[in-house]
Parts: sequence; C-alpha cells; structure tokens
Amino acid sequence: GAGVSQSPRYKVAKRGQDVALRCDPISGHVSLFWYQQALGQGPEFLTYFQNEAQLDKSGLPSDRFFAERPEGSVSTLKIQRTQQEDSAVYLCASSLYARAQFGEGSRLTVL
Amino acid sequence: DQQVKQNSPSLSVQEGRISILNCDYTNSMFDYFLWYKKYPAEGPTFLISISSIKDKNEDGRFTVFLNKSAKHLSLHIVPSQPGDSAVYFCAAQTGANNLFFGTGTRLTVIP
Repeated sequence: GAGVSQSPRYKVAKRGQDVALRCDPISGHVSLFWYQQALGQGPEFLTYFQNEAQLDKSGLPSDRFFAERPEGSVSTLKIQRTQQEDSAVYLCASSLYARAQFGEGSRLTVL
Repeated sequence: DQQVKQNSPSLSVQEGRISILNCDYTNSMFDYFLWYKKYPAEGPTFLISISSIKDKNEDGRFTVFLNKSAKHLSLHIVPSQPGDSAVYFCAAQTGANNLFFGTGTRLTVIP
C-alpha cells in the first residue's frame, strides 16, 4: 500500500500479558517514529529510528517497552507485562525528510 | 514539560466564517512546524507546514502564520466548512528529528 500500515488495529489484553504491535512504513522512508496517544491527549513521543538504528528511545515509559526495526523497514513495538495505564492508541509514523505520515494506529485496551 | 502547547481544547465556528487555531512553543531550536488534522479512529493526517525562515504559508483555504519572537503560530481556515470539523494538532521539530505535539484543539464547524 501507499501509506503507513499498522496492525492490529485493535488489541485487548489482560493485565500481565505481552503484546506486539507492528508498523509497516512507507517504502523508502528512512525515519520511523512511535507515539502513544492517551484519550484526550496529543501524541507523546516514544522512540525514533533512522533505518535500523534506534537513535532516541527517551520517550519509552518503562523497561517494559521495547521497539525494534532490525532491517530498517518494518518495526515492532513490544510491551511486556501490560498494565492498565498502557491503554492508549499507539501511532507509527514514517518520513523521508520531514512531514511525517502516520498510520491509523493500534488501539490497545488492557483489562 | 510540554514544549508545544495548544491552550484551547475546543473551538466552535459558524460555517463560512474564519477558524483560528493557536499554538505556542518553548524551544527556540524548533525550525519546522506542522499542523495535523485527525478524525476519530484515524491517524493524524498532514495539513500544512512552515519553515522557521518564513512567517506565512498558504495552501488554499489554509494559512499558517509563524511569529518567532513570540514563539507562536496559528492556523487560519477561511471559509470554514463542516468537513473541517476534527481535532487539529500543532507539531514542531528540529531538523528531521522527532515531532513534539500539542494536546490538540477540537474544531466544530456549525452548518
């Protein structure tokens, strides 16, 4: 497809479960970003890749959050031992230079 | 610490009138500013941007104004249409690095 693709669109997890969220960026886009958007808030930065290198992970809220982009294309955001406060929409964006383009997001609900 | 602020959570405007959405930032290193529009259950979509070397950028009904001395930017929509009803996010970045977002302003255009 032409845009950023994220899966799953919706995920319900029981507290303590591990989840993995996938992002397929636009082909050729060097930069890839993950954001977390809680209800009624703006997107909050989590982490940033340039190709396969994770250049900034300062926004990851705890060591339960882990992101990778091993081949510089598809990225996975993994959340271990999910907690209720992890419930949010997780947005992925990719860009070549500027004007990051977003996927539709993965809505995670932790019960 | 919120580096990009949108102090109005909501705005209602009559169809045909001007909508003005405001945004303030604190980091003087930001050199590129963007507005994104978000509909429910969709990812943010890019609307318009401005480089810090300019003070105005226009695209059809949308104009963004940048006042660097005041660290303030605004988005003007003229004339406003019901289809413009959405949440608008202001974002800023330094180079091609991660975007910092405001908390959004929900615009409602009343027919």
